[in-house]
Amino acid sequence: QKEVEQNSGPLSVPEGAIASLNCTYSDRVSQSFFWYRQYSGKSPELIMSIYSNGDKEDGRFTAQLNKASQYVSLLIRDSQPSDSATYLCAARAWNNDMRFGAGTRLTVKP
Amino acid sequence: SQTIHQWPATLVQPVGSPLSLECTVEGTSNPNLYWYRQAAGRGLQLLFYSVGIGQISSEVPQNLSASRPQDRQFILSSKKLLLSDSGFYLCAWSVVKAPVGETQYFGPGTRLLVL
Repeated sequence: QKEVEQNSGPLSVPEGAIASLNCTYSDRVSQSFFWYRQYSGKSPELIMSIYSNGDKEDGRFTAQLNKASQYVSLLIRDSQPSDSATYLCAARAWNNDMRFGAGTRLTVKP
Repeated sequence: SQTIHQWPATLVQPVGSPLSLECTVEGTSNPNLYWYRQAAGRGLQLLFYSVGIGQISSEVPQNLSASRPQDRQFILSSKKLLLSDSGFYLCAWSVVKAPVGETQYFGPGTRLLVL
């Protein structure tokens, strides 16, 4: 079983819609979670981090964490074509071991 | 502010040739450093990490090696490249940010194609 799983997509949403990206993890000792955005041909860029249950909002981005269900998600409100990228989910355990999902490709259509 | 550099940006090498990729970090001291590989359409695979000069931990057996000759310099090497070594090589550094803990940031990457 993969440690961090994401739907590979592609996920396609119209401009202005809410994009919902999901991630599940299998390691119950994971403590913090991260979302990275990776444009084609570029390196991953950190956009959100979350460590406690609930929602964390930053501009148009909201990260949601449910440790009981081992589930973390990223919502992008008012999606723009510039949000089209691959989004990587990562989980960090207590020993700083970081595991990445394979990413979900998001396409925002004008 | 901290910045991380990698070079070269792209590299095309024949099978069996040597490899040396360099990563340097500015604006911080004694960072934890990481080498990842990302194959096309795949996730990130941790290759090596280092918590200090001369301290290297390997995550997977392979024909690659890493060295940290200076505090802010991390080098990835190979004596003989294989076709399967092709990929996008990413260097990362980490910082502890309260309350989320250790957070990793990536360099621009080196795209390696072995022919």
